[in-house]
Amino acid sequence: QKEVEQDPGPLSVPEGAIVSLNCTYSNSAFQYFMWYRQYSRKGPELLMYTYSSGNKEDGRFTAQVDKSSKYISLFIRDSQPSDSATYLCAMVAAGGTSYGKLTFGQGTILTVHP
Amino acid sequence: DGGITQSPKYLFRKEGQNVTLSCEQNLNHDAMYWYRQDPGQGLRLIYYSQIVNDFQKGDIAEGYSVSREKKESFPLTVTSAQKNPTAFYLCASSTPGPYEQYFGPGTRLTVT
Repeated sequence: QKEVEQDPGPLSVPEGAIVSLNCTYSNSAFQYFMWYRQYSRKGPELLMYTYSSGNKEDGRFTAQVDKSSKYISLFIRDSQPSDSATYLCAMVAAGGTSYGKLTFGQGTILTVHP
Repeated sequence: DGGITQSPKYLFRKEGQNVTLSCEQNLNHDAMYWYRQDPGQGLRLIYYSQIVNDFQKGDIAEGYSVSREKKESFPLTVTSAQKNPTAFYLCASSTPGPYEQYFGPGTRLTVT
């Protein structure tokens, strides 16, 4: 079983839709949770970063972490064609031998069509 | 502009040849990382370095080597021992805690 599971999709939605992207994980030591966006043939860019449980909002993006269920989500409101990309969740345990080591989900391919 | 540069963008090599991928950062980050990405898969950690002159193996280090002689530079050598070297290689750097990693544009290596 992988430490982080992410539905690879692909996910196709119309412009303006609300998109929900999700990851589950098994390692209870994970405390920092991130979402990256990766356009085709480019490096990933950091979208959202949260620590422990709770919500964080940034414009049209909301990141949600539920540590009790080992489940994280990224919501995109009013989705735009420019949001079409692969979205990767990533997480890391604090301190110890896992210092700075991110564990990634396999990525969800999202297409927003006009 | 601060950031991470990787060169070249595309690299072609014959089987049996070693090849070195460049990664430079001017973000003044202590930690640097190398990942490999294959189609339909997430990123897999090859090597990482938390400080100059020190580095550790990641999850898939076999067939790869690195050096960290300068804070700004973390080159990756793909050796002939790597059985399946064709992939997209990504370099990243971060400050120590809260572990946000910033990525370069990647190098696509094709070995035939």
